[in-house]
Amino acid sequence: AQKITQTQPGMFVQEKEAVTLDCTYDTSDQSYGLFWYKQPSSGEMIFLIYQGSYDEQNATEGRYSLNFQKARKSANLVISASQLGDSAMYFCAMNGNQAGTALIFGKGTTLSVSS
Amino acid sequence: KAGVTQTPRYLIKTRGQQVTLSCSPISGHRSVSWYQQTPGQGLQFLFEYFSETQRNKGNFPGRFSGRQFSNSRSEMNVSTLELGDSALYLCASSLERGGPTDTQYFGPGTRLTVL
Repeated sequence: AQKITQTQPGMFVQEKEAVTLDCTYDTSDQSYGLFWYKQPSSGEMIFLIYQGSYDEQNATEGRYSLNFQKARKSANLVISASQLGDSAMYFCAMNGNQAGTALIFGKGTTLSVSS
Repeated sequence: KAGVTQTPRYLIKTRGQQVTLSCSPISGHRSVSWYQQTPGQGLQFLFEYFSETQRNKGNFPGRFSGRQFSNSRSEMNVSTLELGDSALYLCASSLERGGPTDTQYFGPGTRLTVL
């Protein structure tokens, strides 16, 4: 079965610092997608970044980049130059042939950014 | 382009009642998925609809059901509500139903409280 593990329940960072949120995954699929979502206290899940299993380059979207290490089955999210508005819960998720179209989520990491 | 919309945003029901939640996907998106989020179980996949047909289903009892209309709008229904059904219910839409590249975009959620 597919599984996502996020081992950091909470992370604390100061404004303008970079932060890495860890994510490891387990799957026997060859083709799969990895996603990061942000969930502010309002509850909405906001899509941040996507990485396909066959993508050779790490994905980047503005201040977000995904550090994809396929052999280690890790897909860490890097946020550069943190802002106060980045304070939220962050979820790593994946899909693939095993789960069909369903996204499998990790338990999330709470990021707190202070001034 | 308007995002995924969900109505109502908040609901309070009593045990034994039933409830219907509504989701309108992003224009042009044909797949709608539903997820339940609770503090204890995290984010869990309920089901996915594509072209008015349920294509994928999570491990939830038959009290949870859904449907999709020809305009891709979707509803989910929970009958005989239990206290444990209290949760944030998230709807997500994607362009197509398919492989690992299919990104799901989420709505703001419906927060259901069962008393």
